[in-house]
This record gives sequence, structure tokens and C-alpha cells, in this order.
Amino acid sequence: ETGVTQTPRHLVMGMTNKKSLKCEQHLGHNAMYWYKQSAKKPLELMFVYSLEERVENNSVPSRFSPECPNSSHLFLHLHTLQPEDSALYLCASSQDGAGGLNGYTFGSGTRLTVV
Amino acid sequence: EDQVTQSPEALRLQEGESSSLNCSYTVSGLRGLFWYRQDPGKGPEFLFTLYSAGEEKEKERLKATLTKKESFLHITAPKPEDSATYLCAVQAGGYQKVTFGIGTKLQVIP
Repeated sequence: ETGVTQTPRHLVMGMTNKKSLKCEQHLGHNAMYWYKQSAKKPLELMFVYSLEERVENNSVPSRFSPECPNSSHLFLHLHTLQPEDSALYLCASSQDGAGGLNGYTFGSGTRLTVV
Repeated sequence: EDQVTQSPEALRLQEGESSSLNCSYTVSGLRGLFWYRQDPGKGPEFLFTLYSAGEEKEKERLKATLTKKESFLHITAPKPEDSATYLCAVQAGGYQKVTFGIGTKLQVIP
């Protein structure tokens, strides 16, 4: 399988639950990203990993916890979320040598609903 | 603070009716301006990177241009399959600092 794959595609969770989002890329890219997309708002960068090290953390609440065990896999661990966290969560990858200037490859996203 | 403003928010065209989408930006030290296409229920798909004023890039019915303050995405003789939301983004200054616009939702009617 090629490209960026995200699972699950849809997730409904209660505010007290713990869940994880998974992202996998088979492009040989060395940078991976988590973005949040809410209706009528621009994409918000959450986390950036380059060569498996976190290089960006955009003031994201601690109820979101990323993990990058290797250059092909990225996780977003979720706990005690709020209803306003409901959104589309997108994973992306890029070949970091150009700082992402060759464009990102996005997954199809996980539609998260917090009830 | 870097800013990206896209207009119009929504655009409805008849098939074959050419038009342009606008992306105005305010940024210090532009490294690149990006255009993406996003279909419903999918992630954005990369179209172009423009690096400097005067640059143009084409892909099928799409042509992107760049000035020092804005970029245009020209759509020539659009087809229904061009219907999507088109996102503009800029990368400037520091490492991995990419700012996206809200997008223009394009609908092409047969």
C-alpha cells in the first residue's frame, strides 16, 4: 500500500475515554505531521516530527499526546477530550530535506466526535 | 503574524466557464506558496509550490501564478470533476511554519 494511511476513519468517544489515532506512510518520507481541521477554520498544525524527533508543538493541550516510534508511523493519543476537540484530524508526511517545500502528502483523516 | 486570505469563499461555475481563485498573503520571508485540492471526506492533495514572484505553474486545466502579495489559481474550461475545495498555504521564515487559508469551495455545474 502506498501513500499515507490513517485509522480509524471515524471515531466517537466519550470525554473520559482514551483512544489513539494511527498514521502510516510508505513513501520513504522523513517528516510527519498532525493537523486539525475544523469547519470554517484553516488547518491548524499540531505536531511535527522530523527524523523521529519532535520539532514543533504548537501550544497543543496536554490531552493530545503524539508518538513517533519510527519514520513510518505516527500516533496521536487522546484522553479526557472536550466536545470542542471534535474535528477532522489529518496526518501528513514530507521529504524534510526541502522543509516540506515539495508539498505534503496527506492521509484521508480521522473524523473525531467527542460526546 | 503570517496571514492567508482566500476569496471567494465559494464559487459556482457552469462547465466550461473559466475563472480565478485568489489567495492574498502577508508574510515575512516567503519560502514557498502552496496550492492544494481537497475533496469531501479526503485529505488535501498537493498541486503546486510557487517560490518567487512572476513564477507560473500549470497542471491540466489549472494554472497558478504568484506576485509579491497574492497568488491566483486560474481554472480554464472547468469540468464537474474539478469541483473541490482549493486551499492556499504559505511557508515562511522559521522551520516548518506553514499557514493555511480557509479555502475556496468550487462547484462546477454540468
